[in-house]
Amino acid sequence: DSGVTQTPKHLITATGQRVTLRCSPRSGDLSVYWYQQSLDQGLQFLIQYYNGEERAKGNILERFSAQQFPDLHSELNLSSLELGDSALYFCASSVEDFPGNEQFFGPGTRLTVL
Amino acid sequence: AQTVTQSQPEMSVQEAETVTLSCTYDTSENNYYLFWYKQPPSRQMILVIRQEAYKQQNATENRFSVNFQKAAKSFSLKISDSQLGDTAMYFCAFMKHGRRQGGSEKLVFGKGTKLTVNP
Repeated sequence: DSGVTQTPKHLITATGQRVTLRCSPRSGDLSVYWYQQSLDQGLQFLIQYYNGEERAKGNILERFSAQQFPDLHSELNLSSLELGDSALYFCASSVEDFPGNEQFFGPGTRLTVL
Repeated sequence: AQTVTQSQPEMSVQEAETVTLSCTYDTSENNYYLFWYKQPPSRQMILVIRQEAYKQQNATENRFSVNFQKAAKSFSLKISDSQLGDTAMYFCAFMKHGRRQGGSEKLVFGKGTKLTVNP
């Protein structure tokens, strides 16, 4: 158990719908990272938040957005869902007290778009 | 942009034997970090080993060790005395040295190597 929690574990929805994925980082970790794992694209970085502020953006679609709340939990919002959005979405957290910190991954949310 | 290449999509090894997984990367950075993550069938991502580019000494963690060749931009993982529980996808990942407060950056992953340990 990494200490990072993600809900829900599985999500099945239809094209065009909107979903929210939730992540609670390890106690004391200030940074949250979101990654997408799909068969064709592999593991890709989506976005990073550090202490409530967006720090870095990767290959995140405009239909996707995220935020980090004052209690440091984060949500990833996916809208106008397409079949190709089906993937495993990971959240990772890091304490950020020095460069190169290990990122601890949550168990992931499996999103299936039908 | 950094890229990470794992040239072996699948590998297999007999229990108790040694196996080496390859990883090469491309970067213009001089200071960075390299990681191997393991993803068993449970899908959980687990850190296996971490290497700091400015350290010449190769990292080791019990049965896991790396061969880090900075000039060649190569970072291979050696698993000794392979166990059935080592069966998993293994991902090589690159992180550049952050320059802001806190300092960590995103991970750039390779496509992974599926390792099967046979009894």
